[in-house]
Amino acid sequence: AQSVTQLDSQVPVFEEAPVELRCNYSSSVSVYLFWYVQYPNQGLQLLLKYLSGSTLVKGINGFEAEFNKSQTSFHLRKPSVHISDTAEYFCAVTIQGAQKLVFGQGTRLTINP
Amino acid sequence: DSGVTQTPKHLITATGQRVTLRCSPRSGDLSVYWYQQSLDQGLQFLIQYYNGEERAKGNILERFSAQQFPDLHSELNLSSLELGDSALYFCASSVVGRADEQFFGPGTRLTVL
Repeated sequence: AQSVTQLDSQVPVFEEAPVELRCNYSSSVSVYLFWYVQYPNQGLQLLLKYLSGSTLVKGINGFEAEFNKSQTSFHLRKPSVHISDTAEYFCAVTIQGAQKLVFGQGTRLTINP
Repeated sequence: DSGVTQTPKHLITATGQRVTLRCSPRSGDLSVYWYQQSLDQGLQFLIQYYNGEERAKGNILERFSAQQFPDLHSELNLSSLELGDSALYFCASSVVGRADEQFFGPGTRLTVL
């Protein structure tokens, strides 16, 4: 079975500072990896996904993530955050042919002016 | 806007009651997924339907059931409600039932008093 660990439950940063949200996964087979964002009182929106190919994946709103198979990680980064990035971020994993996503516990990103 | 709609947006009910949550998938999507987001358990997959048939089951309680109708909308029925069932219930849809292309609705927030 697959599992996901998001290493930080909360990450406070100042506006225009860089941020990294950490995600590690566990799986005995090849995986697909995702980052979703949940803005306050809203549903989940896909930021980016890794299926295959280049290990550096670029997503929406200036976010990117790097798949590292040896370290079983898929950390999310943004070079300069804005107040509007305040949200909860979820890392998720699935395997080819699977029907469900397995989510991490989420990381709450708070941007301070 | 993902194109997935869920009603109602909020639902407040009492213990022991039964409720029905409704989901309309994106136009053309054949598969519907249900997830539960609670403070205790995080985001968990409950069940998936594809073109009217159950395709996969996750951590869904026996008190909960779902179905997908010929027009492809889905309903999640929760009965004998307990305080711990209070959560945000998300529906997602995809074209052919692959986990790597799910679009999420805005969710239904259920409060059991």
